[in-house]
Amino acid sequence: GQQLNQSPQSMFIQEGEDVSMNCTSSSIFNTWLWYKQDPGEGPVLLIALYKAGELTSNGRLTAQFGITRKDSFLNISASIPSDVGIYFCAGPHSGGSNYKLTFGKGTLLTVNP
Amino acid sequence: EADIYQTPRYLVIGTGKKITLECSQTMGHDKMYWYQQDPGMELHLIHYSYGVNSTEKGDLSSESTVSRIRTEHFPLTLESARPSHTSQYLCASRQDNYGYTFGSGTRLTVV
Repeated sequence: GQQLNQSPQSMFIQEGEDVSMNCTSSSIFNTWLWYKQDPGEGPVLLIALYKAGELTSNGRLTAQFGITRKDSFLNISASIPSDVGIYFCAGPHSGGSNYKLTFGKGTLLTVNP
Repeated sequence: EADIYQTPRYLVIGTGKKITLECSQTMGHDKMYWYQQDPGMELHLIHYSYGVNSTEKGDLSSESTVSRIRTEHFPLTLESARPSHTSQYLCASRQDNYGYTFGSGTRLTVV
């Protein structure tokens, strides 16, 4: 089945630093989604991307849909302690079925105050 | 404000007990999902449903079962809990082209 390779697996940064993480696939995706999971909670949708080359921002977060449609990037600027959590990329399965999402394995972000 | 609710949030139960994890959503979504999340963070799809009376097994084999008698309700049942079932269970729903909406999860510990 389809797999999403998400990197890095974990990051330890100082408050105020910028963060960058990415997701790649061997298959083409028509939609890229980025989620954040706070400790003890379910994932929450941060940004949705629907078009190759699309660049979308949500506050300090910026995500891009790669031109090849096989990758996506998420950047966080000027990190703060509440950015701590697990970040997942996701996209719908191919083959005409949009009913199931494939998730990356997640990036665990720790921000030191 | 949550539109998808999971209960209980935490459950500690003895081996061999039957348990049901509840999931309800008020958004009228047709598609619902159960994920198991291991300590390594990865999300594994164990069950999904396209609508009432529709249930399918996911990518990860699970001894649990699900039912979908009403659109808003998608409970997960373990007939005989074992320590290997200890995990975080996340329920989600989806409508058309939008991403999933997740519940807060149930953290299950079987002792």
